[in-house]
Amino acid sequence: TQLLEQSPQFLSIQEGENLTVYCNSSSVFSSLQWYRQEPGEGPVLLVTVVTGGEVKKLKRLTFQFGDARKDSSLHITAAQPGDTGLYLCAGVRGKLVFGAGTILRVKS
Amino acid sequence: DAGITQSPRYKITETGRQVTLMCHQTWSHSYMFWYRQDLGHGLRLIYYSAAADITDKGEVPDGYVVSRSKTENFPLTLESATRSQTSVYFCASSESHSNQPQHFGDGTRLSIL
Repeated sequence: TQLLEQSPQFLSIQEGENLTVYCNSSSVFSSLQWYRQEPGEGPVLLVTVVTGGEVKKLKRLTFQFGDARKDSSLHITAAQPGDTGLYLCAGVRGKLVFGAGTILRVKS
Repeated sequence: DAGITQSPRYKITETGRQVTLMCHQTWSHSYMFWYRQDLGHGLRLIYYSAAADITDKGEVPDGYVVSRSKTENFPLTLESATRSQTSVYFCASSESHSNQPQHFGDGTRLSIL
């Protein structure tokens, strides 16, 4: 059983659509990180959220940390083919704990 | 160039063989990590190191050995490879605490026949 559950596992959408990826846990985290991974490469950090309720924006990507610091979401507005990749959330509980990831495919 | 380098990128070996995966970082980061990535499991921590000569087990350490004689290198050895160790292995480093953002290498795809 994963400590961090990500959903959906796979998402295939058309260019221009909006989407949300969820990262849920029953455990509290001191902070949460989101990474993006492209085929043949390692994960690259997108953002870190620290405070409960915190919202961070990175261009068309909006990240939110739940008030209780147990969950997080990633919302992408007007998705583009360049957004295609594996999105991983990782919670900090002493060490970093990764979710299984969401594979996003954006079709042009 | 500064960064984190893993070698080899691809490796095929047979069960029972010993194989070592190399990881080198040029940032002088204190912490280094080894993960394996398998479909449906995400990234699972094998071993980590807080500094030279300090290593500790992660979530799935069985069958693996690490060493860290120098800050910049963190090799991972499979002493007697098994098919269940077929995976993509990622090395990562971070500046200070184990909860800091991690910088990953591009991975080693290991197949054990």
